[in-house]
Amino acid sequence: RKEVEQDPGPFNVPEGATVAFNCTYSNSASQSFFWYRQDCRKEPKLLMSVYSSGNEDGRFTAQLNRASQYISLLIRDSKLSDSATYLCVVSLQGGKLIFGQGTELSVKP
Amino acid sequence: EPEVTQTPSHQVTQMGQEVILRCVPISNHLYFYWYRQILGQKVEFLVSFYNNEISEKSEIFDDQFSVERPDGSNFTLKIRSTKLEDSAMYFCASMEFAVEPQHFGDGTRLSIL
Repeated sequence: RKEVEQDPGPFNVPEGATVAFNCTYSNSASQSFFWYRQDCRKEPKLLMSVYSSGNEDGRFTAQLNRASQYISLLIRDSKLSDSATYLCVVSLQGGKLIFGQGTELSVKP
Repeated sequence: EPEVTQTPSHQVTQMGQEVILRCVPISNHLYFYWYRQILGQKVEFLVSFYNNEISEKSEIFDDQFSVERPDGSNFTLKIRSTKLEDSAMYFCASMEFAVEPQHFGDGTRLSIL
């Protein structure tokens, strides 16, 4: 089983659409949870940390369910600039990050 | 906003040669990491470094790899005898506390010929 598994994608959506990304992780000792975005051949950039209580940052909402080891990201009212690869990331003790393979999002006019 | 900086942005090296990738982490950060991403694949952990020693290393990080923090600012990754399969983007990351998000540099693209 993959350590962090994401929807394979790609997702092609029109501007203004709502899009949801799903992610599961296998290591119950995972300590922290993040969504990063990666533009083509660039560095991963932190989008948001994810907490069990759920958290929202503008059009972005993230949820964590520790019992089912599931993480989600919802993007509302998608913009052209949201086009990127979204990386589900968990951290283990000592800060080692484990990345999912990413889900590519393409937002079309 | 403080940044992690990496040099060079692109390194082309003959197979078998040594290469040193350089990183300057954010100044008050204590935890340092190297990751790599082979084209079309996911980002993979290589090594973590804290308190002037390696905390953890992956299976990829074999005897050909080493890391060093030679002074108070630089953090380097050395590959002693490069192989074709070492071609990848190498990202340096740092963080201040153990549970904070990591800040990534913009990477070094390593091409082995």
